[in-house]
Order: sequence, then structure tokens, then C-alpha cells
Amino acid sequence: AQSVTQPDIHITVSEGASLELRCNYSYGATPYLFWYVQSPGQGLQLLLKYFSGDTLVQGIKGFEAEFKRSQSSFNLRKPSVHWSDAAEYFCAVVGSARQLTFGSGTQLTVLP
Amino acid sequence: EADIYQTPRYLVIGTGKKITLECSQTMGHDKMYWYQQDPGMELHLIHYSYGVNSTEKGDLSSESTVSRIRTEHFPLTLESARPSHTSQYLCASSAGGDRSTDTQYFGPGTRLTVL
Repeated sequence: AQSVTQPDIHITVSEGASLELRCNYSYGATPYLFWYVQSPGQGLQLLLKYFSGDTLVQGIKGFEAEFKRSQSSFNLRKPSVHWSDAAEYFCAVVGSARQLTFGSGTQLTVLP
Repeated sequence: EADIYQTPRYLVIGTGKKITLECSQTMGHDKMYWYQQDPGMELHLIHYSYGVNSTEKGDLSSESTVSRIRTEHFPLTLESARPSHTSQYLCASSAGGDRSTDTQYFGPGTRLTVL
């Protein structure tokens, strides 16, 4: 069965600083990978997804993620964080049963 | 992107009451899902449906039930609510087909508190 690990429970960055959120997955075949963002009291919004092709994926709100098969990673990055980026971020993988498996999430705090 | 709606957004109810959480989508998606999310935790799939009259239980055992009589509607029912059911419930839908198009889009969630 597939699994997703987000090693960082909570990350704090200053506004304008760069950001990298880590995601490691476990899946035997080619994974389909997603990053979602959840603001307080809200549902999940899709930031970006990777299915195949270019390993650097561009998403909404200036986010990007890089798929590295050798490291089983799909880290999310943003060059300059805005205060509105404060939220919880979830990495997810679709496995053979076509079900989404989520990581435990990373809570992002942005300092002014 | 799918338009997916959930009502109510917040519900506080007493133990033993029957409740139904509504979920509707307007994109004609065949697949719909219910997830349960405790505060600060990951999402766990509790029910899914691949089409009308099709429902399956997810990875996390739940005392709730679901129905899929219409493509656009996927309500979740708790016959007798208990404090252990206090959680956030998120509904999602996807178009199905090839994995490249089977992206799940989420509703805003219902935060349920059972006293």
C-alpha cells in the first residue's frame, strides 16, 4: 500500500523568505502526486499535481514542486512567501486502487 | 475546477440525534468521496462512490452511511450522533477516467460537534 510522510509538522518562515515543504512517498509504481492547501475552517484547494513528464511542476499562487524518483520525494517550494500563504499543506499520492492517501500535513506560519 | 458544496458548514447537535450532511457537485463527476479529518490531523477516507447506486466503505471505519441516488448528490447520515463523531467532514469529487484526469476537488467541509 502507498504512504506519504511529511516530516515537518510545523514550519515558521518570515514573509519574503523562501519556503520548502518536504514530502516523501512510498509506492511501487509511478506515483501520481498532489499538493493541497487548507486554510483554517476551509476545505482543501489543489495547488499542483504530478502525473508524468517534466519533474518540475508549476502550480497556483507561485508554488512549484519537484518530483525526484531516486529520493521518493515531491517537495513543495516557493521563492518568496506571503502572509496569505499561512495555512496547512498536505501532500498526497494516488495508488493502484485510485485512492488518495494523505500525509499528516505541515502547518505553515508566516512572520511579518 | 469542480464546484462542490457542503451544508451545513457548522453543526452543533446533541447526542442521539440523527443528522445528514449534504454534499452536491455541479460538474457531473462520477466519483464522490467523504473524508473525516480530526483537528491537526490527516484526512481519512470513510466512504466513496463511483457512480449512481454505488457506494463503498473507505479505509477508516465509520458508523455513518451514505447514498448515491443522483450523480450530483452524496449525502452522509449518522443515525445516532455521539461525541466521538465530532470532527470535520470533507466531501470531494473527481471525473474518473484516466488517472491523469482523476483529480479530486474538495468542498469547504462541515465541522460537526456532538455534545
